[in-house]
Amino acid sequence: DTAVSQTPKYLVTQMGNDKSIKCEQNLGHDTMYWYKQDSKKFLKIMFSYNNKELIINETVPNRFSPKSPDKAHLNLHINSLELGDSAVYFCASSQVETAPYNEQFFGPGTRLTVL
Amino acid sequence: KNEVEQSPQNLTAQEGEFITINCSYSVGISALHWLQQHPGGGIVSLFMLSSGKKKHGRLIATINIQEKHSSLHITASHPRDSAVYICAVSGGTSYGKLTFGQGTILTVHP
Repeated sequence: DTAVSQTPKYLVTQMGNDKSIKCEQNLGHDTMYWYKQDSKKFLKIMFSYNNKELIINETVPNRFSPKSPDKAHLNLHINSLELGDSAVYFCASSQVETAPYNEQFFGPGTRLTVL
Repeated sequence: KNEVEQSPQNLTAQEGEFITINCSYSVGISALHWLQQHPGGGIVSLFMLSSGKKKHGRLIATINIQEKHSSLHITASHPRDSAVYICAVSGGTSYGKLTFGQGTILTVHP
C-alpha cells in the first residue's frame, strides 16, 4: 500500500492554464506539506496544513492555492501557470505530535512542465 | 547563504570506498534529517537525529550539536548507493517543516 500518493506523476501544460495536483496519505498523519524542487534539485517548503488548517505559507504567489478537504488529503491548485512554475512538486506527511522530531514521508512527486 | 550547507556538491567514488557527506547548519534545530533521492525521483528518509550517532546497515549518521555539523557515512559503497543525499533540519514551532541543504550527488562506479 502506498503511504503517500500523488496524482498525476507528470503534468505538461501550456502557460496560462489552471491545473491541480492531488495528494493523499493513508498513514493517519495530521500534518501535510507541499515542497517544490527546482531544476537544481533544491527543495523548499511551500505550504503546511495541520488537521485541515493552513499553518505555513512560505511567500508563495497567490496563484498557488492549497486545499485540504480532510486531514488525509492536501491538493494544490495553480492558476495562470507560468514558465517558472516548472518543477517537481512533492507532497509529504508527518505526525505533528512528535514535531519537530517527526519523520516525514514523501510522495513520489509530480513533475510539472509549463510550455 | 543557505541556512543548511552540504559538501561536497558532487562526489564520485569507486565501489567499496568509504564515503562521507557533510552538513553544516546556522540555525537552532531540534532534529536533523538525512534523505535519499534516487534517480527515479522518490525521496526516502534515512535518518532523523538530534544527538549522537545512528547506524542502519552500511549507513552511519552523526551529529555534533555544539558545532552545528552532521556527517553521513557510507561504508563499502556500492553502485546502488548512487543517489542524491539531502540534509534537512527541523525545529522551533515550525510544525516540523524541513529546511533543506542543496543536496550531494553521489555516483559510485563498479
